[in-house]
Formats: sequence, C-alpha cells, structure tokens
Amino acid sequence: DQQVKQNSPSLSVQEGRISILNCDYTNSMFDYFLWYKKYPAEGPTFLISISSIKDKNEDGRFTVFLNKSAKHLSLHIVPSQPGDSAVYFCAASVGSNYQLIWGAGTKLIIKP
Amino acid sequence: DAGVTQSPTHLIKTRGQQVTLRCSPKSGHDTVSWYQQALGQGPQFIFQYYEEEERQRGNFPDRFSGHQFPNYSSELNVNALLLGDSALYLCASSLTPGTSVGEQFFGPGTRLTVL
Repeated sequence: DQQVKQNSPSLSVQEGRISILNCDYTNSMFDYFLWYKKYPAEGPTFLISISSIKDKNEDGRFTVFLNKSAKHLSLHIVPSQPGDSAVYFCAASVGSNYQLIWGAGTKLIIKP
Repeated sequence: DAGVTQSPTHLIKTRGQQVTLRCSPKSGHDTVSWYQQALGQGPQFIFQYYEEEERQRGNFPDRFSGHQFPNYSSELNVNALLLGDSALYLCASSLTPGTSVGEQFFGPGTRLTVL
C-alpha cells in the first residue's frame, strides 16, 4: 500500500521554465511534508518542507503547495536551472518525527 | 567538515550470510537513523539510535539490528540475508532526536547486493 505516490517517474523541462513535480498521499493523518533532492552517488538532501497548517511555503526558487482536501502537494521550481537535474523525493510524516513515508521519486531533467 | 560517511561503498554477499554496514555522523551530531532504499523506490526507515539505544523502529524484521558507539558512530547488521535485502542503505545523522526530520543529513549510502 503506497501511502505516498509520485506518479511521474521522470520529467523533462527547458532551462528557465517552471518545473512542477507532483505528489499524492492517502493517509489523512500526515501533517508534515518534505521534498528531498538526490544527485547520483550522493545521499538525499533536504530541500523544503510544509506543515498541514499552511498551504504554501517558499524558499527562493522553490515553492511547495499543499492541497489537503485533494491530498496533493506540488513542488514548483522557477526558473529551472541545469543544476536542478536530479531525482526529487516527496515524503510525509505524522508530526515531524523520523518515520517518513517516501514516494518513489521523480527524475527531473533540465534541458539547456 | 566531512559530513556523514558510510563504509563500504559497495558490498556483495550471498544468501544466508551476515553483513555489517558502518556510518560516521556529521561532526556534532549525536543521532543516527538508517534507511533502506530498494531500486526504483523511496527510502524506508529502519531505525534510529540515540545515546547508544534504539529509539524508533520501522517495519523491519529482527534480522535487522544496529548499534551506536560512544563516539556516535553506528553499525547496521543484517543476518540471514535474503535476495530482497539487496538495496542502497542510507545513514542519516542529526543533532538530537527531537530535531525536525528535515534537519537530518544523509550519507551517500552503501550498495548491498545479495546473490
């Protein structure tokens, strides 16, 4: 039972345009959501998070949107840069504890 | 600052064998968590160690055990290896167990292949 789903295994975006990565969840108890970025041969690095009391959180070029009624969150990257090419993981938890439930990841490719 | 380091980088074992993976946390961090990432999937939480004790555990069998040493480094042990244990094993460290999960730092992982 996949509680966190990233339905797009890969996404290709032109440099300078907006990248939108999507994530759906099924467990209504989740109240803390995170996005991680992973380069090959490196561990995941934390990118941005959002708690369920908010519907939007921004950090520079990265914005996460949360739609609780739809159990959906998305990560927007504007503008997309070549260095953004990586695998992006969505993760969720009940409270900000360590037992995160992760999606399978979306490979983002930024084309020059 | 070396960040989180893990050894070995790659490992090949046979079914039924036992394996030990090692992790050194980021300088100043005292909490270590272990994750299993199977091919094409996201990481799954195995357990967390703080003050040399297992504090939280995910849905993994007792074949998976760990240890934390006084210098905060940690080992993950897997007994009676199964083919399905083939995965990337990630270690993450953080300052205290109460730190937000987003503030943990991951190592590059150990790739375990079970034949």
